[in-house]
Amino acid sequence: EVQLVESGGGLVQPGGSLRLSCAASGFTFSSYWMSWVRQAPGKGLEWVANIKQDGSEKYYEGSVRGRFTISRDNAKNSLYLQMNSLRAEDTAVYYCARDQQWLGNGFGYYYGMDVWGQGTTVTVSS
Amino acid sequence: DIQMTQSPSSLSASVGDRVTITCRASQSISNYLNWYQQKPGKAPKLLIYAASSLQSGVPSKFSGSGSGTDFTLTISSLQPEDFATYYCQQTYSTLWTFGQGTKVEIK
Repeated sequence: EVQLVESGGGLVQPGGSLRLSCAASGFTFSSYWMSWVRQAPGKGLEWVANIKQDGSEKYYEGSVRGRFTISRDNAKNSLYLQMNSLRAEDTAVYYCARDQQWLGNGFGYYYGMDVWGQGTTVTVSS
Repeated sequence: DIQMTQSPSSLSASVGDRVTITCRASQSISNYLNWYQQKPGKAPKLLIYAASSLQSGVPSKFSGSGSGTDFTLTISSLQPEDFATYYCQQTYSTLWTFGQGTKVEIK
């Protein structure tokens, strides 16, 4: 069964740090881009970051750039999100997701997040 | 960043209704547009990719169309299991963005 399982969420004080993990199984993890997506309480989805198969390319949403670091360990089939300088507005459920890709119409690939974890909750509060 | 705007933000519909949700991009994104469905307390589910391609396993009552800046998601005959929140997402730029969501409720 294709599966993603997040862990590492919890309560942290403003300015603190947290490291999220995502364990992948049931597919060849090293063949896919991977993403983190978050959802604040009662709010919509927000893409946070993604990482290329070999870790050579990483992209970040503006509000987390410089504070969050996405990484992966293909030998362990695991994705990570190191979150530093946390703020109250980072409070959310954090999902990891697999970035499926399909050949595009001459302008690169189409991407869509086709497998999601169940999410892990991060609460930033004093 | 490319801004995605969905309309309406919410709608009430009856079982059997045809429902259309609109998504507009702040600049042309060709057809690099996905649609997701999310039910309360659950992870999102990919419905449509590349604006009009149905994801494997998704029923054909869902369809997508559009290119450039204007896109639509249509549910041909709303069923009880379709009441959820729907999000569009662009993957044209390297910084992906979602619309704010459209909540489909029971009338």
